[in-house]
Amino acid sequence: SQELEQSPQSLIVQEGKNLTINCTSSKTLYGLYWYKQKYGEGLIFLMMLQKGGEEKSHEKITAKLDEKKQQSSLHITASQPSHAGIYLCGAVPDSSYKLIFGSGTRLLVRP
Amino acid sequence: SAVISQKPSRDICQRGTSLTIQCQVDSQVTMMFWYRQQPGQSLTLIATANQGSEATYESGFVIDKFPISRPNLTFSTLTVSNMSPEDSSIYLCSVEDRGEGSEQYFGPGTRLTVT
Repeated sequence: SQELEQSPQSLIVQEGKNLTINCTSSKTLYGLYWYKQKYGEGLIFLMMLQKGGEEKSHEKITAKLDEKKQQSSLHITASQPSHAGIYLCGAVPDSSYKLIFGSGTRLLVRP
Repeated sequence: SAVISQKPSRDICQRGTSLTIQCQVDSQVTMMFWYRQQPGQSLTLIATANQGSEATYESGFVIDKFPISRPNLTFSTLTVSNMSPEDSSIYLCSVEDRGEGSEQYFGPGTRLTVT
């Protein structure tokens, strides 16, 4: 079965610093989703990537999917305390649209 | 993007009882899913809610424990039956919005505590 590995598991950065979160799949991905979760709440959709080499940006967050569609990175530029939360990558392993998730990355941004 | 609401937002229940969670979407969607997030864990898919037919359950989840209804294209319910403390989790519904290029959106979740 397909597995997603996220790194790092947790991250503490000073406000204004850049950071990167990685998501690696054991198999080729049909689609890769990034979500943000505030502690104990629902998931906020950030971006979806489907094509190898694809890159998308929203405000200060950029996500990329590598050419082989087995690894994605999420990059936050000039981090702010509002970026704090749990970042989850989710993948569609086949054509069924059912998501499997990585274990998450806990981000804390110190003012 | 689809807007999803869930009721209740949280509940505290006694073991042996059942709780029904509602999921309402502001537009018609084909695919609806139910996920569970146990404390400190990531999300696990429980089942796909199919409109007009029985839900499709993932390995480890059964209909007797988690009966699901999907009476139309905007609404679904998940019941957690005969609850035990191990059922304490956040339960989330999600929808696949094909109008947005197969993006998937999640509801705000229902935080369940079983005592």
